[in-house]
Amino acid sequence: LAKTTQPISMDSYEGQEVNITCSHNNIATNDYITWYQQFPSQGPRFIIQGYKTKVTNEVASLFIPADRKSSTLSLPRVSLSDTAVYYCLVEEDSSYKLIFGSGTRLLVRP
Amino acid sequence: DVKVTQSSRYLVKRTGEKVFLECVQDMDHENMFWYRQDPGLGLRLIYFSYDVKMKEKGDIPEGYSVSREKKERFSLILESASTNQTSMYLCASSPRTGYTEAFFGQGTRLTVV
Repeated sequence: LAKTTQPISMDSYEGQEVNITCSHNNIATNDYITWYQQFPSQGPRFIIQGYKTKVTNEVASLFIPADRKSSTLSLPRVSLSDTAVYYCLVEEDSSYKLIFGSGTRLLVRP
Repeated sequence: DVKVTQSSRYLVKRTGEKVFLECVQDMDHENMFWYRQDPGLGLRLIYFSYDVKMKEKGDIPEGYSVSREKKERFSLILESASTNQTSMYLCASSPRTGYTEAFFGQGTRLTVV
């Protein structure tokens, strides 16, 4: 079971780029890395998923180095509405479980 | 639009009551999950189901049971509610494979008094 480690909290200002790094030292060959976002009083929602190198969508980019022992979620030009908790998950090929860690609480200030 | 619907947003129950939390998804997903979320602890998996009538324990199954008689519905049961089960409960569903996104309901905030 690959365990993930993220910073507990981060602060940023509107318009800045935010990078949240997740460590997953025991990631297995077939595991994917997935990030979710959760606003207060809502369930988490999927942001992005990747296996290696770089993935980009309309919301974020995900950078994964060659050894895959970490990943970085990059949010370009954050706004106040990006204030949320961000979870990094490693999805196991052999299991249907989705295991969440404690997440990173991002606060975007004006 | 995909949907996971939890039967109640807020629920207040008394200690010792039997409590049912219902979750319905309309996406024909095989997998369904129940989590609880407490401040500072993130989401913790209680039970999940990968098919009708199939279930597996998550990380914190004690004090809970589940039922999945139909593919679209996954129920969480607190046999005898206790105050330490006061929490936010979140249901989710996902397709069979692990490499796809999971969809979450809005959550049920349960208070046991």
